[in-house]
This record gives sequence, structure tokens and C-alpha cells, in this order.
Amino acid sequence: NAGVTQTPKFQVLKTGQSMTLQCAQDMNHNSMYWYRQDPGMGLRLIYYSASEGTTDKGEVPNGYNVSRLNKREFSLRLESAAPSQTSVYFCASRPRGTGGGGYTFGSGTRLTVV
Amino acid sequence: AQTVTQSQPEMSVQEAETVTLSCTYDTSESNYYLFWYKQPPSRQMILVIRQEAYKQQNATENRFSVNFQKAAKSFSLKISDSQLGDTAMYFCAFMKQTGNQFYFGTGTSLTVIP
Repeated sequence: NAGVTQTPKFQVLKTGQSMTLQCAQDMNHNSMYWYRQDPGMGLRLIYYSASEGTTDKGEVPNGYNVSRLNKREFSLRLESAAPSQTSVYFCASRPRGTGGGGYTFGSGTRLTVV
Repeated sequence: AQTVTQSQPEMSVQEAETVTLSCTYDTSESNYYLFWYKQPPSRQMILVIRQEAYKQQNATENRFSVNFQKAAKSFSLKISDSQLGDTAMYFCAFMKQTGNQFYFGTGTSLTVIP
């Protein structure tokens, strides 16, 4: 049982390049999330998908787009990467009706934009 | 807006001793959840303990317990019989009862000294 799988684990981009971070979960969870973690800060929500077919902005959505491809997969796209997007990105998922619990996090993608 | 404050950036404790990590939060919500997450060097976010605000009884999980003071908006984590494997970054987090988003503190780096 893999849980939440993120690819890639590490990536270096040049300013202005684009890329997509992939996330897949095999737990049949309804909701999926993308967070970013910057040095000296906790995780901050970028976008989330409460269920298949829906997406909503979180606290820091600027510069990102997302796609909930199906129930399993939720991707995060950087159209034109900027140094301010250097961060560790976490994907998470949870089932319906867990009252704040039941979150499973991926192991993160470390992205550096130079 | 919800804010979570962890005022101790770094702490250390001798193996087998007890340590308490502090967390305060600010919210106008009446019903919510509070969490402590552990992040070891592997980057994985691991749930340590969860507290429902409507419950007066403090949550416990083996060596981990919380002191939840709702009126003071305080949620501290006590780790008893500290072990080397407890060395990690610890994040306090808040979630509205009807919400989708975690609000994280900036973390406390805990080192257990042999």
C-alpha cells in the first residue's frame, strides 16, 4: 500500500521554465491537497480538491494551477517558475467525513528555481 | 483569520527525560481541531496527536500527551521518556471543524541528546 506518491522528489528549474508536480494516492480518498513549505515556516495551502471534478484556491495560489485528473491523481503546475517558488511541496489526501483527521502526506518534492 | 504561534524555534532534551513544546493559536471559531505533527529529516509529515476542541479531556498517545487550555488558546505537547527517534521538527496545526485547510505554526526543532 503506497499511500501518497509524489514525483519527482527533487527538481531544479531555471526561471521561466514550466513543470508539473505529480501526486497519486491509492487509498480511495476523496480530498487532495497541495501545500508548500518554506524555511522557517509551516506548510501553507496552495490548492485543494474536495472531490473529483472540483478545485479551490488555498492561502497561496498565485503562480500555480492544478488539475484533478481523476480520483487518484492531483497535479500541480508551475507555468513560469520564479525563484520565489523555491520550496518543498507536499501533496496530501484524506477520505470523506474524517472530522479533521485521516490526512496522509506524501514525502515531498524539493524544488529549486535558479 | 487563524494563526498558530510556536515561540520555541529550538529545544533539546536528554534521553529519557520529559520535554514540553508550546503552541498558542488565535481563532474566533468555537469548534475546531488541533494537531501536533512530527517531521523527521526524511521530510515525512507524521501525525503525533489530535485534539477536538469540544472535548475537555486532553488527548494522549503513548508517551505523547497534550495540555489543551481552550480559554487561553493554548495547546502544548508533552513528550515523556524522550527517545533518540523523537529528534525532529514538530509542528502545531489548527483546522476549523468545517474546514479543509491546516494552519501550521513555524515549528520547533527538537533534539534528543543521548
